[in-house]
Amino acid sequence: AQSVTQPDIHITVSEGASLELRCNYSYGATPYLFWYVQSPGQGLQLLLKYFSGDTLVQGIKGFEAEFKRSQSSFNLRKPSVHWSDAAEYFCAVGRDRRMIKAAGNKLTFGGGTRVLVKP
Amino acid sequence: DAGVTQSPTHLIKTRGQQVTLRCSPKSGHDTVSWYQQALGQGPQFIFQYYEEEERQRGNFPDRFSGHQFPNYSSELNVNALLLGDSALYLCASSLELAGGDTQYFGPGTRLTVL
Repeated sequence: AQSVTQPDIHITVSEGASLELRCNYSYGATPYLFWYVQSPGQGLQLLLKYFSGDTLVQGIKGFEAEFKRSQSSFNLRKPSVHWSDAAEYFCAVGRDRRMIKAAGNKLTFGGGTRVLVKP
Repeated sequence: DAGVTQSPTHLIKTRGQQVTLRCSPKSGHDTVSWYQQALGQGPQFIFQYYEEEERQRGNFPDRFSGHQFPNYSSELNVNALLLGDSALYLCASSLELAGGDTQYFGPGTRLTVL
């Protein structure tokens, strides 16, 4: 069974400081990994995704994430946080696209990390 | 390029009632998934529809049912509402031809059960 763990429930960071959000996954095959962001009362916006290839992926809003197979991790980073980055961040794992047609593509999410930005 | 839309935005029901939530996928997308997000938690997968059939289902009771129409839009129906059904219901769409691996989410419907 697939699962995702986000160890940090809350993180507080000063504006202009760097940010790193942790994500650990458990999946029996090649993982398809995603980071989404959710502002209060809103839906989820896709920040970035990893399927294969270069283990460092770039996303929108200046975010990047690094896939480390040996550690089953997919951590999200941003070098300099802006006040508008205050939100909840979710890591998710999905199915290899070669299996989706037959079996569907349920995304499994972590519990989320709430980011607070201090001025 | 229209994104995923959901209606209504908010809904208040009482225990035992039935509710229908609606979703229109992103333009060109053919697959719709539904998720339930309880307060303070990550989204939980309810089911996924493709070619008007339920292709995959999460761990939700039969009170939760759905439908996909020929224009790819979808409905989520919940019968015999319980207090615990209060949540944000998220619809996501994807395109099978593009691999179906990336889901784009709508703004959600906030359901409150009293």
